[in-house]
Amino acid sequence: EADIYQTPRYLVIGTGKKITLECSQTMGHDKMYWYQQDPGMELHLIHYSYGVNSTEKGDLSSESTVSRIRTEHFPLTLESARPSHTSQYLCASSERGSFYEQYFGPGTRLTVT
Amino acid sequence: DAKTTQPNSMESNEEEPVHLPCNHSTISGTDYIHWYRQLPSQGPEYVIHGLTSNVNNRMASLAIAEDRKSSTLILHRATLRDAAVYYCILREGYGGSQGNLIFGKGTKLSVKP
Repeated sequence: EADIYQTPRYLVIGTGKKITLECSQTMGHDKMYWYQQDPGMELHLIHYSYGVNSTEKGDLSSESTVSRIRTEHFPLTLESARPSHTSQYLCASSERGSFYEQYFGPGTRLTVT
Repeated sequence: DAKTTQPNSMESNEEEPVHLPCNHSTISGTDYIHWYRQLPSQGPEYVIHGLTSNVNNRMASLAIAEDRKSSTLILHRATLRDAAVYYCILREGYGGSQGNLIFGKGTKLSVKP
């Protein structure tokens, strides 16, 4: 059972609001990731981190920002939510290296009205 | 990044074996072959991975062609709970994005009772 948590699971919010999606893992993994997935579509990597104080942009450009102050915590923030940000956001973690599996959280389904 | 090609969808009968193919003709020598699956309304989960040799675990088997240009994920007895989108992914062994997963469209597996 993967120990990676995301809150909230569902969020409906109005345009212009600032939101933070939380992601925590208790496995001590160095590497963490954020993916974005529209319904029925592929997952796209938007941010990742190698460890504390490390953040990198992924393959899909995103207006969101991330921070990594603690190993176990990797929050994603949208300063001003827009309807185009409506999507599912999935957090994952892994040890470093290509042979280690990624563990995914249950996701946050965000709707911006 | 090396790319994979998978059929968009496949159908199987319950309790029968399923062979999910994946082509990756531009694979490099350091690329690992990973398989993940995503059940409806959930985050992806790891299934299996390999480099050169065939691999078995409790979920599935992975058969890798001798030239590594293709692989097949084998579910020995499909159950209704195996209905999911299956992703075949090449993970870079070296480089700045080491360990990042690049998801394609995957194969949507339907299992009939």
